[in-house]
Amino acid sequence: GAVVSQHPSWVICKSGTSVKIECRSLDFQATTMFWYRQFPKQSLMLMATSNEGSKATYEQGVEKDKFLINHASLTLSTLTVTSAHPEDSSFYICSASLAEHNEQFFGPGTRLTVL
Amino acid sequence: KNEVEQSPQNLTAQEGEFITINCSYSVGISALHWLQQHPGGGIVSLFMLSSGKKKHGRLIATINIQEKHSSLHITASHPRDSAVYICAVLLGIRTSGSRLTFGEGTQLTVNP
Repeated sequence: GAVVSQHPSWVICKSGTSVKIECRSLDFQATTMFWYRQFPKQSLMLMATSNEGSKATYEQGVEKDKFLINHASLTLSTLTVTSAHPEDSSFYICSASLAEHNEQFFGPGTRLTVL
Repeated sequence: KNEVEQSPQNLTAQEGEFITINCSYSVGISALHWLQQHPGGGIVSLFMLSSGKKKHGRLIATINIQEKHSSLHITASHPRDSAVYICAVLLGIRTSGSRLTFGEGTQLTVNP
């Protein structure tokens, strides 16, 4: 199956700093990438949908200036958590959708801890 | 009421048992995913279904579009099957990049 990677797999940072998370589709070109966050014991919550070459579409309640998404190529999307706070600590997961296909392939996730 | 409901929420089984996890949804969908999430957090897509039945190894997934219901079966369960199993549906028209709506997940524990 199609492979999606994320980097880093975990990160610890100080409050106020920015953290960038990369999501790559390794063996296919992804028309659309999705960013999710997941709190303990809860299901995935969609943060934004990212299409290559255009601005991301954010879900209600997600601050676009705080969670910057860049989708510069068909194989790479990045999520930057700016001025991170402890409440941003969470598990961030990306997925990628094949062109003209609905199936989403998920990355392994990035665990962010903000001290 | 959630658009996607799974049952049971928690399931404990003995190794070798046949396991069924159910998913019901209330709206029209174009496809349904079954996902597996291990304790480390990574998610694996097990199946994507729009009709009928799919089988991969010991896993079988079925969907009944008329009844808006899907089941995931695990035959000869093993402790390594212990994970959270998540049902997710693609709503509406089949277009690339459609958003998923997730069930709450079923925590499966298989004891040796």
